[in-house]
This record gives sequence, structure tokens and C-alpha cells, in this order.
Amino acid sequence: KAGVTQTPRYLIKTRGQQVTLSCSPISGHRSVSWYQQTPGQGLQFLFEYFSETQRNKGNFPGRFSGRQFSNSRSEMNVSTLELGDSALYLCASSWLAGGGTDTQYFGPGTRLTVL
Amino acid sequence: QKEVEQDPGPLSVPEGAIVSLNCTYSNSAFQYFMWYRQYSRKGPELLMYTYSSGNKEDGRFTAQVDKSSKYISLFIRDSQPSDSATYLCAMRNAGGTSYGKLTFGQGTILTVHP
Repeated sequence: KAGVTQTPRYLIKTRGQQVTLSCSPISGHRSVSWYQQTPGQGLQFLFEYFSETQRNKGNFPGRFSGRQFSNSRSEMNVSTLELGDSALYLCASSWLAGGGTDTQYFGPGTRLTVL
Repeated sequence: QKEVEQDPGPLSVPEGAIVSLNCTYSNSAFQYFMWYRQYSRKGPELLMYTYSSGNKEDGRFTAQVDKSSKYISLFIRDSQPSDSATYLCAMRNAGGTSYGKLTFGQGTILTVHP
């Protein structure tokens, strides 16, 4: 079974631009979570989608948004990029959208650099 | 104060050593505890998953959870150079507002030298 895939793997943008990142979950997985990873803050939860609905959201500004399609693929968008948005953006999929024994499997991430 | 604290290291040990990695947390609602391994330029890979307090063993890896002390550990026996990576502890509540959300420690950078 193929793992979580993320595209693109690397991206360079300039301040003020917007960016869209894509995530394809493991086949059969319906929940997709997004995380931002930086050296200073570590891995921080952005939001989670299940059945095309955002069910949970972390403490990030409204410039960060996402969506999920009927095939469970997900995109996240960052508008008006700032230098501090430079990070590794990770997507994780799981079968259920719940707590407990639901295991998250991570993709390789998209490395975003904002100049 | 962060909800989950993890010593970032770096930690350098000789091959064959026993490695101990630890995290403390403040949120008593955390019920599920995980350890992920992340190699450079890769996404985190799940190593161990533990529910509530207790021990779990898988090959050379042992995870321990002490909820009364809000402390979790990962032990690696007979460490190998291939174990060199960043180790991340992660935790979650049970259901409700925890949907899809893992709370991570900062990660400990481990190097095992031959």
C-alpha cells in the first residue's frame, strides 16, 4: 500500500505571495492532519479534516487554511506569506478521525522557503 | 510553558549502548503516547504506541508511561548507527477536541557512532 504523498517536495516563494500544498493520504484513510515543523517551535498542529469537514484547528492565523476533497486528498493554503512561514509542512493520514488508537502516518513533507 | 517538554540533546552514544529518551507533560488529559523517529529530510515514522500507564516492548525498543508522574520514556537497547535520528514523543487526548491533533515534544537528536 502506498504511503502518504505530498507535493511539491520543495518550494521557494517570496513574501506576500500565496502557496498551496497538496497531500494524498493512504488509500482508505479519511482523516488528514497538517503540521508545521520549525527548528524553534518543533511540530505544531495546524488543522484536521475528515469527510471534507474541518474538525479541529490549531493556533495559527487565518492566513493558514485548508480543505479536503471527496477522495480524501487535502490541500493547505497559506496566503500573504511571511518569512516566519518558512518550515517543513507535514501531512498525516489516519483511518478514523478520533482520539485513541487511531494511528497517524506521516508524509515526507513539503519544505517551504520564504524569501 | 509547553505542554510537552523533551530534552533536545544532542545525544551521542557509542554503538551497543542503551539509550534513554524522556518526555514530561503537563496535560493530565493525555491518554495516548507515541514515539516517532524522524530521519533527516523525511517525515516522522511511528515507533511505539502506548495507551495509559505501563510498558510496551518491541524488539530493541521499550516504551514506558508513568501517568502519575506525567513522564514517558523510550529505551533503545544495543543501539546501532542506523538508530541515528531525531526522536519525537507525541501525545493525544481521547476524542473530543483532540481529533487529529498530536502534541509533540521538541525532539531529541540522537547520534550512535560506530
